[in-house]
Amino acid sequence: KQEVTQIPAALSVPEGENLVLNCSFTDSAIYNLQWFRQDPGKGLTSLLLIQSSQREQTSGRLNASLDKSSGRSTLYIAASQPGDSATYLCAVSNSGYALNFGKGTSLLVTP
Amino acid sequence: DAGITQSPRHKVTETGTPVTLRCHQTENHRYMYWYRQDPGHGLRLIHYSYGVKDTDKGEVSDGYSVSRSKTEDFLLTLESATSSQTSVYFCAISESWRNQPQHFGDGTRLSIL
Repeated sequence: KQEVTQIPAALSVPEGENLVLNCSFTDSAIYNLQWFRQDPGKGLTSLLLIQSSQREQTSGRLNASLDKSSGRSTLYIAASQPGDSATYLCAVSNSGYALNFGKGTSLLVTP
Repeated sequence: DAGITQSPRHKVTETGTPVTLRCHQTENHRYMYWYRQDPGHGLRLIHYSYGVKDTDKGEVSDGYSVSRSKTEDFLLTLESATSSQTSVYFCAISESWRNQPQHFGDGTRLSIL
């Protein structure tokens, strides 16, 4: 069974810092990996999707990398802002339909 | 934002009563999903649909049933609610099961007393 782990569970940084969120998974036979953002009381917002054949994806200040062989992905956030404060979730797709989620990293960016 | 509406947004009910949650989409996506989110467990798939009248079970399907009679609507039913089904329920949609992102609704907070 796929296990997805996110480290750290919580992170607090001052505004302007670059930061890295980590995601690891146990079964490397994945179709894709997705990063989501969840604000309190809200649903998930899709940030980036990396296909298994890709090494990275970029969107604005966000860059996600994928190393399938080692079972790792990182989400890099450049020049963090207070509006980036949220929980970030990593999810992998093994069998196509289901996403296997990590428990998330709670990020607080302080002014 | 993807056009996904979940109803109701909040519900409190008693053990043993039937409950139906509705997910409505305006994107005409083929695939729809129901997840539950619980502290300590994260998000887990309950059921999914790959077309009208085509559904299948996810990881935590016991005690739940689903129906999809129209592309835009996906219903989740708890036939006889139990306290262990207290959770936040999310609906998601995607154009394809492979290499297309899933887009989520804002969730339904369900409390079963």
